[in-house]
Amino acid sequence: NAGVTQTPKFRVLKTGQSMTLLCAQDMNHEYMYWYRQDPGMGLRLIHYSVGEGTTAKGEVPDGYNVSRLKKQNFLLGLESAAPSQTSVYFCASSYVTSPIQYFGAGTRLSVL
Amino acid sequence: AQTVTQSQPEMSVQEAETVTLSCTYDTSENNYYLFWYKQPPSRQMILVIRQEAYKQQNATENRFSVNFQKAAKSFSLKISDSQLGDTAMYFCAFMKIPGTYKYIFGTGTRLKVLA
Repeated sequence: NAGVTQTPKFRVLKTGQSMTLLCAQDMNHEYMYWYRQDPGMGLRLIHYSVGEGTTAKGEVPDGYNVSRLKKQNFLLGLESAAPSQTSVYFCASSYVTSPIQYFGAGTRLSVL
Repeated sequence: AQTVTQSQPEMSVQEAETVTLSCTYDTSENNYYLFWYKQPPSRQMILVIRQEAYKQQNATENRFSVNFQKAAKSFSLKISDSQLGDTAMYFCAFMKIPGTYKYIFGTGTRLKVLA
């Protein structure tokens, strides 16, 4: 049972490049989340989804877009990467009936 | 808006000793969950313990226990018989209910267990 899988694990981008981070979960969870983790800041919510085809903004959504075309996948896109988006990105998922979130292993992104 | 504060950026403890990590939060909600998550060097976020606000009894999971003071909005984590494998970043998190289960995290406490 893989749980929550994030792809890729590491990535280096140049300013202005675009990329997509993929999150896949095999637990049939309804809710999915994208967080970013910065030193001294804890984890902050970027976007989340309460079901297939629905997304909503979190605390720090600017510069990111998301899509949830399939229940098991939640994509995070950076259209024009900026150095301020250098961070570790975490995906999480949960059942609608449970408050416990299950996290992926994270993606370390550096924007030069 | 809710906020979560962890005022101890770093702590250390000797192996087999007991350590307490502090967390305070600010909310006007009456129903909510509180969590402690552990993040070892592997970066994986691992749930340590959770507390439901309507339960007066403090949660316990093996060597981990909490001191939940609802009126004081305090939620500390006690680790007994500390082990080297407890070395990690520890995050306190708040989640209001009902809702979409969005977490508000504190800034974390880095705990080092010394041999």
